Amino acid sequence: EVQLVESGGGLVQPGGSLRLSCAASGFTFSDHYMHWVRQAPGKGLEWVGRSRNKANSYTTDYAASVKGRFTISRDDSKNSLYLQMNSLKTEDTAVYYCTRGAFHAMDVWGQGTTVTVSS
Amino acid sequence: QSVLTQPPSVSAAPGQKVTISCSGSSSNIGNNYVSWYQQLPGTAPRLLIYENNKRPSGIPDRFSGSKSGSSATLGITGLQTGDEADYYCGTWDSSLSAADWVFGGGTKLTVL
Repeated sequence: EVQLVESGGGLVQPGGSLRLSCAASGFTFSDHYMHWVRQAPGKGLEWVGRSRNKANSYTTDYAASVKGRFTISRDDSKNSLYLQMNSLKTEDTAVYYCTRGAFHAMDVWGQGTTVTVSS
Repeated sequence: QSVLTQPPSVSAAPGQKVTISCSGSSSNIGNNYVSWYQQLPGTAPRLLIYENNKRPSGIPDRFSGSKSGSSATLGITGLQTGDEADYYCGTWDSSLSAADWVFGGGTKLTVL
């Protein structure tokens, strides 16, 4: 079964850091682009960024709202995707989803992990 | 404000048909594939339509997608109460310095 499982969410103070993880299973992780998408409480979906696959040198892109603060990395040997979040702001409070890129879309989604930035 | 514009809400009776529009521009929908996502209450989104009009396995043919110019449409026929959800369109946007993925603001479907 193709599956993505996020972890690492929690409560953090403004200015703090948090690292999210996404464990993939059931498919060849190294073949795929991977994305992070977030959803603030009661709001719509917002793309955070992506990691290209090995064939595309694992390069990354980020939304303007997180560029310079968030870093996406991956470890294909562990079938895992990561999101390092620094200098967190209250507006980063959201459910964070890990998604698989395929067919010019995001075809598999994790269940999400909740990040709350508050003092 | 989302780059892609969707109506905030639509409604229809069980058994009826509904369409949800997604309007963009040449930098996004006009030159890229569109996908659609369904988010049932309290759950993660799931892919409904990819590459404008293709359905992943397991998605019933009551769901359809189309694209014309810089707009896309999701159609749902034979509405069921279980279709009540938020629906999002998405695509790449290349108007900025690098290509970013963008979502519409979402449309809440109510099955009366």
